[in-house]
Amino acid sequence: GQQVMQIPQYQHVQEGEDFTTYCNSSTTLSNIQWYKQRPGGHPVFLIQLVKSGEVKKQKRLTFQFGEAKKNSSLHITATQTTDVGTYFCAYRGTDKLIFGTGTRLQVFP
Amino acid sequence: DAGVTQSPTHLIKTRGQQVTLRCSPISGHKSVSWYQQVLGQGPQFIFQYYEKEERGRGNFPDRFSARQFPNYSSELNVNALLLGDSALYLCASSVRGQETQYFGPGTRLLVL
Repeated sequence: GQQVMQIPQYQHVQEGEDFTTYCNSSTTLSNIQWYKQRPGGHPVFLIQLVKSGEVKKQKRLTFQFGEAKKNSSLHITATQTTDVGTYFCAYRGTDKLIFGTGTRLQVFP
Repeated sequence: DAGVTQSPTHLIKTRGQQVTLRCSPISGHKSVSWYQQVLGQGPQFIFQYYEKEERGRGNFPDRFSARQFPNYSSELNVNALLLGDSALYLCASSVRGQETQYFGPGTRLLVL
């Protein structure tokens, strides 16, 4: 079945450094969503991208959907300790969300 | 407005037992989906219900079943629990099922 891989699996950064996670699919995706899950918490919707080459920004977060709609990235500028958590990409199928493998971000003060 | 609520928050069961998890969607949302998240992995789709009918089912054994009530709340039942059923069970609601899904806090199930 459809699989969505994310890299890296883990990322440790110093506060103030930038962070990027990449989401890759073997097939073209109609959409990509990003979620953040804090330790011990539940996934929280961040954004959805649907257009080829689309770029959206939310404060320090920049989301991009690849031209071929097979990959996506989330970039965080100047990380803060509040950015700690696992970031998942996901795509919406007919009746379900298919989640990526996730990237766990740790930020050291 | 209240978000998605789930009960109980934590549960400990032994192998072979049965468990029922409950979910109340956001007011006005008619679609409820269930996901299983094993530690260190992304959520895996179990079921989607819309207007009290099953609209989608993931790759889970028949030990897993669910239903949706007239008030759009939902229950997930798991029979003959196995150790591997230990996970965070997430409920998500949306208006019709195709839009943004809002997740509840989850039920943490531990099977001993």
